[in-house]
Amino acid sequence: GQNIDQPTEMTATEGAIVQINCTYQTSGFNGLFWYQQHAGEAPTFLSYNVLDGLEEKGRFSSFLSRSKGYSYLLLKELQMKDSASYLCAPMDSNYQLIWGAGTKLIIKP
Amino acid sequence: IAGITQAPTSQILAAGRRMTLRCTQDMRHNAMYWYRQDLGLGLRLIHYSNTAGTTGKGEVPDGYSVSRANTDDFPLTLASAVPSQTSVYFCASSDSKMGGNEQFFGPGTRLTVL
Repeated sequence: GQNIDQPTEMTATEGAIVQINCTYQTSGFNGLFWYQQHAGEAPTFLSYNVLDGLEEKGRFSSFLSRSKGYSYLLLKELQMKDSASYLCAPMDSNYQLIWGAGTKLIIKP
Repeated sequence: IAGITQAPTSQILAAGRRMTLRCTQDMRHNAMYWYRQDLGLGLRLIHYSNTAGTTGKGEVPDGYSVSRANTDDFPLTLASAVPSQTSVYFCASSDSKMGGNEQFFGPGTRLTVL
């Protein structure tokens, strides 16, 4: 079966760094997406990885290891507005996104 | 440019009633999707359309139907609503279904079936 595993909730301090991990098992693989979702709002795209390694985009970076079925999202210089849920979504062989339940990130001053 | 819009924003519906959730995008995207999001669960795909005139079933299609008469519109119909269909419904679109094409989401419709 297809499965996504990410922590339910994490807490971090403003200005710090946090890493959100995601492990996955899918039928085939066509890349992995990370989305951000603020409470009561729609998900918005953060990053896409299809090859192994680190993709950096401003304060956010995303890493992928296809052989390990593992990805992480790294958020630096945390701001209060980063309080949100972060959704890991690998794409399977049918090009369908398989969504994790998301990690709720709480930022404390 | 509005992007992708959904209507209504929220709705309370009596069980057994028919309901159509509307979704329109102005990005000329080929692929469109309907998801439901329930507390503690990931987004689950209901139906999708890879291009105008075609539709497909997702993970949880039972009780729902869709049509894709043109590129812009992708309505979702609940023929006879049941309380288990209480959820937040998101419509999304992407340039194509292929890898690397991010999905853009509408603001969602919060549906309560009593």
